[in-house]
Amino acid sequence: DIQMTQSPSSLSASVGDRVTITCRASQRISSYLNWYQQKPGKAPKLLIYAASSLQSGVPSRFSGSGSGTDFTLTISSLQPEDFATYYCQQSYSTPWTFGQGTKVEFK
Amino acid sequence: EVQLVESGGGLVKPGGSLRLSCAASGITFNNAWMSWVRQAPGKGLEWVGRIKSKTDGGTTDYAAPVKGRFTISRDDSRYTLYLQMNSLKTEDTAFYYCTTEQVGLIYNWFDPWGQGTLVTVSS
Repeated sequence: DIQMTQSPSSLSASVGDRVTITCRASQRISSYLNWYQQKPGKAPKLLIYAASSLQSGVPSRFSGSGSGTDFTLTISSLQPEDFATYYCQQSYSTPWTFGQGTKVEFK
Repeated sequence: EVQLVESGGGLVKPGGSLRLSCAASGITFNNAWMSWVRQAPGKGLEWVGRIKSKTDGGTTDYAAPVKGRFTISRDDSRYTLYLQMNSLKTEDTAFYYCTTEQVGLIYNWFDPWGQGTLVTVSS
């Protein structure tokens, strides 16, 4: 199985900050990488697919990059509604696997 | 608007069985690949398994922890996905989400997701 490791596990940030979350795959997965946002008590929501494609309706302050084993999710200017937990997920081979999550908290 | 609504969660004893349902609307269900993803309270996301559309073979894949105990099926006439869970263990306690696996030309992703249903396995 492909292991996905996110860092950091949590971070504190302020509104307006630039936030970067990294995700590393245990083997090369090309661009088969998706990012999701989850708020407490809610289902996950797709943000980015195929490493860098922005899902329709997602604000442009979210962006994704990377290929191979190393990927990043960047929020260019953190907004109050962005405080949530973020997960990466590989779609290279089953079983599909997720990172452990990165919780973005208010500083 | 696409909507996925799970039901059937509840409290069950270890070794027991439960069947979850996921009612879909706003999508061409018979063409959809569907997955179940679970999340233990306070923990991360774990893929449980998926079923392809009948036109793509209707085959199923499962994660190792549930293989042989869980069965995913679908009723395209009812726009409903099912998860039959047998021989339940305490570690199966989780919120269970159904989601559509979008199959692109090259890449796949999960969107949208249902609101989830809680399964608690406890004596």
